[in-house]
Amino acid sequence: RKEVEQDPGPFNVPEGATVAFNCTYSNSASQSFFWYRQDCRKEPKLLMSVYSSGNEDGRFTAQLNRASQYISLLIRDSKLSDSATYLCVRISGTYKYIFGTGTRLKVLA
Amino acid sequence: EPEVTQTPSHQVTQMGQEVILRCVPISNHLYFYWYRQILGQKVEFLVSFYNNEISEKSEIFDDQFSVERPDGSNFTLKIRSTKLEDSAMYFCASSEPGQTEQFFGPGTRLTVL
Repeated sequence: RKEVEQDPGPFNVPEGATVAFNCTYSNSASQSFFWYRQDCRKEPKLLMSVYSSGNEDGRFTAQLNRASQYISLLIRDSKLSDSATYLCVRISGTYKYIFGTGTRLKVLA
Repeated sequence: EPEVTQTPSHQVTQMGQEVILRCVPISNHLYFYWYRQILGQKVEFLVSFYNNEISEKSEIFDDQFSVERPDGSNFTLKIRSTKLEDSAMYFCASSEPGQTEQFFGPGTRLTVL
């Protein structure tokens, strides 16, 4: 099993739709997780941290399920500007990031 | 808003040549990182650096790679003898003490011919 696994997509959704991505991880000892957003040929940008209690920031909600070893990202009311690749990240060791391959989202007008 | 900067944005070099990629981390950050992303692939960890020494490095970070903080602001990645497979986007990142969120620079695209 890959350390961090994501469905590469693409997910093509109409504007205004709700879309959800999952990410599974293999190391049950992992403590910290993040969702980053990456636009084409740009750097990853922090979207949000993921906590066991869940985390909501506007239209974005992140959840962590430790029992099943997955994290999720829910985007409500999708905008054209949400089109990007969403990267799941877990921390290993001393702040080393392990990235998933990313899930590509296209929001269509 | 403070940000990580990197130079150059694009570097083209011949196989076997040495390259130095430069980064200026956010000023109050003390942890520094290099990652790379081969085109179409995932972002991969190379090395982390704290208190003027390497904290952790990956299998990719072999003897051809080195990092340095030559002064109070710059953080460099040197590749001594580049190979074709070193062609990738190289991202520098930094983080505050006690914080796990890392902030990434815009990257240097390295092309080895």
